[in-house]
Amino acid sequence: EAGVAQSPRYKIIEKRQSVAFWCNPISGHATLYWYQQILGQGPKLLIQFQNNGVVDDSQLPKDRFSAERLKGVDSTLKIQPAKLEDSAVYLCASSISPGLQETQYFGPGTRLLVL
Amino acid sequence: EDQVTQSPEALRLQEGESSSLNCSYTVSGLRGLFWYRQDPGKGPEFLFTLYSAGEEKEKERLKATLTKKESFLHITAPKPEDSATYLCAGDGSSNTGKLIFGQGTTLQVKP
Repeated sequence: EAGVAQSPRYKIIEKRQSVAFWCNPISGHATLYWYQQILGQGPKLLIQFQNNGVVDDSQLPKDRFSAERLKGVDSTLKIQPAKLEDSAVYLCASSISPGLQETQYFGPGTRLLVL
Repeated sequence: EDQVTQSPEALRLQEGESSSLNCSYTVSGLRGLFWYRQDPGKGPEFLFTLYSAGEEKEKERLKATLTKKESFLHITAPKPEDSATYLCAGDGSSNTGKLIFGQGTTLQVKP
C-alpha cells in the first residue's frame, strides 16, 4: 500500500514570498490533516479535512495560510506572504475516518526555510 | 488548556541498557494516548494506541503503559536502531481525531 505522498521535500524562500505544498493521502482515506512541526517541537495541527470539508482550522493563521481539498483527495497548503517564523516541517497525514479508532499515517514532510 | 509534556528531552543509552520515557498529559476527556516514532528527515511512524488506565501494549523491545495521568514507553535492551525521537499525543474530547503532541524525547543508543 502506497503511503502519504508530499512534495516538494525541501523549499527555501525569501520572507514575503509565497509557497505551496502538495499532499496525496493514502487511497480511500477520507480524513486529511496538515501539521506544522517547528524544530525541537511536536507536530501542531493546522487544519483537518473530512472529504472536502473543513473539520477544524482553529490553529490555522488565516491571514497568511490557506488550504484546500477540492475533490476530496489531494490537498494544497499555501503560505502567502511567508514570515521567518514559518520555517518548519509541514507534515500531511491521513486516516480512514476521524474517529478514535483510526490511526493517522504521516507523509515524509516538506521542510521549509524562510530567509 | 490541553497539554502533553514528555521527559526527558534527550536520553543517551548504551546498547542493552533498559530505560523508560515519560509522557504526562492534561487532556480533557482523553479518549486515546498515542505513541509515534520519528526518524530524522521522516514523518512520524505509528507505534501504539492506549485507551484506558492499566492498558499495556508491546512491540519488540518496546512496551507502552497508561495511567490516569501519564504514559510510559519502556525500552528493554535497546539496540542502536532504536535511536529516534519518540512522540506521544493525546486525543481529547473534540471527537474529531485531533491529536495534541508532546515535544518528543530524542533517544540515542550507542553500540
